[in-house]
Amino acid sequence: NAGVTQTPKFQVLKTGQSMTLQCAQDMNHEYMSWYRQDPGMGLRLIHYSVGAGITDQGEVPNGYNVSRSTTEDFPLRLLSAAPSQTSVYFCASSYSSWDRDNEQFFGPGTRLTVL
Amino acid sequence: GENVEQHPSTLSVQEGDSAVIKCTYSDSASNYFPWYKQELGKRPQLIIDIRSNVGEKKDQRIAVTLNKTAKHFSLHITETQPEDSAVYFCAASRGGLTGGGNKLTFGTGTQLKVEL
Repeated sequence: NAGVTQTPKFQVLKTGQSMTLQCAQDMNHEYMSWYRQDPGMGLRLIHYSVGAGITDQGEVPNGYNVSRSTTEDFPLRLLSAAPSQTSVYFCASSYSSWDRDNEQFFGPGTRLTVL
Repeated sequence: GENVEQHPSTLSVQEGDSAVIKCTYSDSASNYFPWYKQELGKRPQLIIDIRSNVGEKKDQRIAVTLNKTAKHFSLHITETQPEDSAVYFCAASRGGLTGGGNKLTFGTGTQLKVEL
């Protein structure tokens, strides 16, 4: 198993540009999520999905869109990049139901800089 | 929504000593409490977790305790080693309950430094 994979590892954007961060998992997890990590602020939830075709907002969703057309993939789109979106982005996945192991597995992260 | 507070933000111990990190949560419906370790430049990795139907869980040098009444849980690391140096995050969720999936709310992290 590859686990949770993310691409790219690094990205530099100019203000106003758009891009998509890719995330995929091969563990057949129902739940997938995107977090951003900023110094001193822990990991903050951007968007999450409990299954294909179902997405919802997390704590800091503004400026980001997601879709979940398959169980495996959960891309994150930055609509018009702003310097405030400079951060490290982590994708994570897990089983949803209480009778399964709820461990969330994280991808390696994408370090994004917006100039 | 859920709010998780974590203390201390930095912790320095001598090798072989114990380290304790504490977290409080606000949502009484939270029932799953994982702890993650993150080394510099790496992804967070689960080190131990506990569910609300258990008061304590141990795994070798690591233990977690949960007090549902007071809504706080703690990570205990005994016989600390230099390789324990990292940032530790606590989190809480209504894991598995209808509608929320496994939505985690994280604390702000504790930088643990184990000195020789």
